[in-house]
Amino acid sequence: DAGVIQSPRHEVTEMGQEVTLRCKPISGHDYLFWYRQTMMRGLELLIYFNNNVPIDDSGMPEDRFSAKMPNASFSTLKIQPSEPRDSAVYFCASRRIAGGTGELFFGEGSRLTVL
Amino acid sequence: QKEVEQDPGPLSVPEGAIVSLNCTYSNSAFQYFMWYRQYSRKGPELLMYTYSSGNKEDGRFTAQVDKSSKYISLFIRDSQPSDSATYLCAMSPHTIIIQGAQKLVFGQGTRLTINP
Repeated sequence: DAGVIQSPRHEVTEMGQEVTLRCKPISGHDYLFWYRQTMMRGLELLIYFNNNVPIDDSGMPEDRFSAKMPNASFSTLKIQPSEPRDSAVYFCASRRIAGGTGELFFGEGSRLTVL
Repeated sequence: QKEVEQDPGPLSVPEGAIVSLNCTYSNSAFQYFMWYRQYSRKGPELLMYTYSSGNKEDGRFTAQVDKSSKYISLFIRDSQPSDSATYLCAMSPHTIIIQGAQKLVFGQGTRLTINP
């Protein structure tokens, strides 16, 4: 299996621009998570989906952040407008419950820098 | 107060040393405990998991849970330079099979360097 695939790996943008991060979970996994990692705050859960339905978005910091999962193989995290404090590494992770340990499989992350 | 506290380090030890990494937590409902390893510029990957209290060993790695003290540890024996990474503890109130209880709470991570 190819694992969780994220794009872009690196994004540098200017304040006020729209940023879209993309994720392809592992096939057959029924949960998808978006995390944000910074030195100061560590790994924070932003939102997660079960069978493409958002379950808990309480970690989304502001209305500038939105996430969608139109089908089982694709999710996006959008920031509009972006701000310098959004600079972080954003991870997507997926998990399969049935027959598994519940292990989270992470992608390699999207490193966002907002100037 | 954070639900999970973990010393971010950095921790630097010589090759072959025994390494002890620790986390404390405040939520007594946590029952499911994990350790993730994260190499530089990579995503975290599961290293070990334990349920409730006790020890679990896997090769050079041992995970311990002391629920009475709300304290978990990861020991690395005969440490190698390839063990250099950030280690994150993570925990959840329930096992993964319980509907809705899907959120893992992560520690901040401890950055470990093993010097040859």
